[in-house]
Amino acid sequence: KQEVTQIPAALSVPEGENLVLNCSFTDSAIYNLQWFRQDPGKGLTSLLLIQSSQREQTSGRLNASLDKSSGRSTLYIAASQPGDSATYLCAVENFNKFYFGSGTKLNVKP
Amino acid sequence: EPEVTQTPSHQVTQMGQEVILRCVPISNHLYFYWYRQILGQKVEFLVSFYNNEISEKSEIFDDQFSVERPDGSNFTLKIRSTKLEDSAMYFCASGQGRRETQYFGPGTRLLVL
Repeated sequence: KQEVTQIPAALSVPEGENLVLNCSFTDSAIYNLQWFRQDPGKGLTSLLLIQSSQREQTSGRLNASLDKSSGRSTLYIAASQPGDSATYLCAVENFNKFYFGSGTKLNVKP
Repeated sequence: EPEVTQTPSHQVTQMGQEVILRCVPISNHLYFYWYRQILGQKVEFLVSFYNNEISEKSEIFDDQFSVERPDGSNFTLKIRSTKLEDSAMYFCASGQGRRETQYFGPGTRLLVL
């Protein structure tokens, strides 16, 4: 069964720092990987979707990479802002089912 | 900007009762999903739905659960004979195509007493 792990579980950084969130998965036979942010008590907001044939996707200050063979993805956030504070989740699609990590809780201090 | 909506936002029910959670997906989307998140745990996939039938379901989605698209806009999750462990946040999501970005609703927080 697919297992998705996210490291670190929590991260606190001063505003302006560049940071990297990590996601790993045990079964490399994925169709895609999606990064979400989740604000407390709220739904999930999609940030980036990487298809299995792609290596990376970019949106504004966010860049996500995918190394399917090694079972890893990273989410790079440039010039972090207090508004980036949230929990970041990665999810993979594997044989038409979806598996989420536990998330990285990010706190960006002003 | 179109968004997925869910009602109710909160639901409290007694153990053994049936609940129906409602979702209105984004109007031109064809794929629909239900997920749940037990407090402090991972988001878990329950079921995907396309062309008026279930396309995939997880081990969690047993006979206690059912989904329906009763009209052109609503997508519902029915939980029969609720148990304490069904208490969770339930999220609906929709997507334009298979393996495309999923857009999540704000969730329904279900509490079973």
